[in-house]
Amino acid sequence: ETGVTQSPTHLIKTRGQQVTLRCSSQSGHNTVSWYQQALGQGPQFIFQYYREEENGRGNFPPRFSGLQFPNYSSELNVNALELDDSALYLCASSTQGRGVEQFFGPGTRLTVL
Amino acid sequence: AQKITQTQPGMFVQEKEAVTLDCTYDTSDQSYGLFWYKQPSSGEMIFLIYQGSYDEQNATEGRYSLNFQKARKSANLVISASQLGDSAMYFCAMREVNAGGTSYGKLTFGQGTILTVHP
Repeated sequence: ETGVTQSPTHLIKTRGQQVTLRCSSQSGHNTVSWYQQALGQGPQFIFQYYREEENGRGNFPPRFSGLQFPNYSSELNVNALELDDSALYLCASSTQGRGVEQFFGPGTRLTVL
Repeated sequence: AQKITQTQPGMFVQEKEAVTLDCTYDTSDQSYGLFWYKQPSSGEMIFLIYQGSYDEQNATEGRYSLNFQKARKSANLVISASQLGDSAMYFCAMREVNAGGTSYGKLTFGQGTILTVHP
């Protein structure tokens, strides 16, 4: 069973640029959630994708957008990067259902200069 | 809105001793799930244990147990027989359950507790 993978592991961008982060969900999982974790903080929910549609969104501006593909992999796109976007971005996959756990990937550490 | 509070920024424990990490939560939902995750310095979130709001028994997973007190809205993690490899950040999290009873993916996390296990 293949776990959740994310790419790239590290990324450095400058303010105003755009970035795309990628996530491959665990085999058999149809739901992907994205989280932003600033240094020393708990993760914050960005959004979730289920069956290729956004299925809930946290308090993040529209410049944070995403996609889910038919194979359930997902992308997180961030436009017009700001310094505060520097964080660890975590992807989690799961199935739908009561009480199911989310399996997290290793994360992508984004630094915005 | 859901809220998770972890009041212990850091905890220290001697190897082979037990330790309790505190977590209180606030929600108006009747149905919810509570999770604990471990995050080593590598960054990956590792699932430890789950407790459903309607579960009558406290959850246990190996050396991990969850002391669930619904009336007090607390869900403390107990780690027995601490090991050096338990040194990490620990997060308590809550999951919403939507009106249809299925699990909506948003997890609300606390600020975390850094656990250090001394030899």
